[in-house]
Amino acid sequence: GQNIDQPTEMTATEGAIVQINCTYQTSGFNGLFWYQQHAGEAPTFLSYNVLDGLEEKGRFSSFLSRSKGYSYLLLKELQMKDSASYLCAVSDSNYQLIWGAGTKLIIKP
Amino acid sequence: GAVVSQHPSWVICKSGTSVKIECRSLDFQATTMFWYRQFPKQSLMLMATSNEGSKATYEQGVEKDKFLINHASLTLSTLTVTSAHPEDSSFYICSAPWGTDQETQYFGPGTRLLVL
Repeated sequence: GQNIDQPTEMTATEGAIVQINCTYQTSGFNGLFWYQQHAGEAPTFLSYNVLDGLEEKGRFSSFLSRSKGYSYLLLKELQMKDSASYLCAVSDSNYQLIWGAGTKLIIKP
Repeated sequence: GAVVSQHPSWVICKSGTSVKIECRSLDFQATTMFWYRQFPKQSLMLMATSNEGSKATYEQGVEKDKFLINHASLTLSTLTVTSAHPEDSSFYICSAPWGTDQETQYFGPGTRLLVL
């Protein structure tokens, strides 16, 4: 079957760095996405990785290793507004998105 | 990025009534749109894929006669929850793919449905 694993919850301190991991097993691979979802709101797009390596976008970076079925989202200089759920999703061989359950990130002052 | 809108953002209705939710791509055309449902503290669940000019494709376990989807134009898809019941209360979100290879899904703001 198809499977996306990410931690349920993480806690970090304002100003620090946090890494949210995602491992996947899917039938085919056409890219991996990270979305941010604040409570009560729809997800917003953060990043897309289809090739191995690190993609940096401001305070957020996303890394992909296709051979390991692994990705992480790195958040630097954490701000209170970064408190949200972070969703990992993989596009499979049919270009259908397979979603992880999300990681709830709690930022403490 | 692309902009997707949904209307209404909130709806409260009585059990047995039907509710229509609209999803629009505001600055691009979308031949395909996706409808998701999310229950509190749970992940997104894909309900169906809406295809412009043809029938929607429903995920296993989703009743097509209860969740009617119409993709009448390249910028509008509608989801109608027919004969709504309290267990249909949820957060309904649509998305549309956009990008060079249509690789990224952009989400509407969501519609919160409460059935009394």
